[in-house]
Amino acid sequence: AQSVTQPDIHITVSEGASLELRCNYSYGATPYLFWYVQSPGQGLQLLLKYFSGDTLVQGIKGFEAEFKRSQSSFNLRKPSVHWSDAAEYFCAVGAGYSSASKIIFGSGTRLSIRP
Amino acid sequence: ETGVTQSPTHLIKTRGQQVTLRCSSQSGHNTVSWYQQALGQGPQFIFQYYREEENGRGNFPPRFSGLQFPNYSSELNVNALELDDSALYLCASRKTTGPGPAGELFFGEGSRLTVL
Repeated sequence: AQSVTQPDIHITVSEGASLELRCNYSYGATPYLFWYVQSPGQGLQLLLKYFSGDTLVQGIKGFEAEFKRSQSSFNLRKPSVHWSDAAEYFCAVGAGYSSASKIIFGSGTRLSIRP
Repeated sequence: ETGVTQSPTHLIKTRGQQVTLRCSSQSGHNTVSWYQQALGQGPQFIFQYYREEENGRGNFPPRFSGLQFPNYSSELNVNALELDDSALYLCASRKTTGPGPAGELFFGEGSRLTVL
């Protein structure tokens, strides 16, 4: 069964600094990978997704992620964070190639921004 | 294009009671997934419905059940509520066109259930 590990529970970075959030997945076949963001009390919003092709994917709000098959990783990056980026970030993996395919989420990384 | 809407947004129940949460899918979406998100945790997959049939289930007991209607709206029912059922329940929808990868999920803002 597929699984997702986000090893960092909480990260604090200074405004304007670069950011990298780590994600490792476990899945036997080609995974479909997602990053979602959740602001307090809100639902989840998709930042970016990887299905195939170029392993560096661009998302909304200036985020990007790189798929590294050899490391089973899909880390999220942003070159310069803004105070509005403070939120919970979830990595997710989709598995299966049928109408029953489902998406499984990691436990999340809470991002705080230092002024 | 109307997004995913959930009701109620907040509710309080007591242990042993039953609850029904409702979800309207985004227009054109035929697959609905339900997730439970406890405080400080990631969303946990409860189950998924496609064309009114459950076609995937996570590690949740049978007292968690659901329905999907012909208009693709959905309900989550929880019987015999326990204190640990207190959580944010998220509904998400997507369009499935046949065999293929799990596409992007579109989420509602959730129903926050408190069990006393």
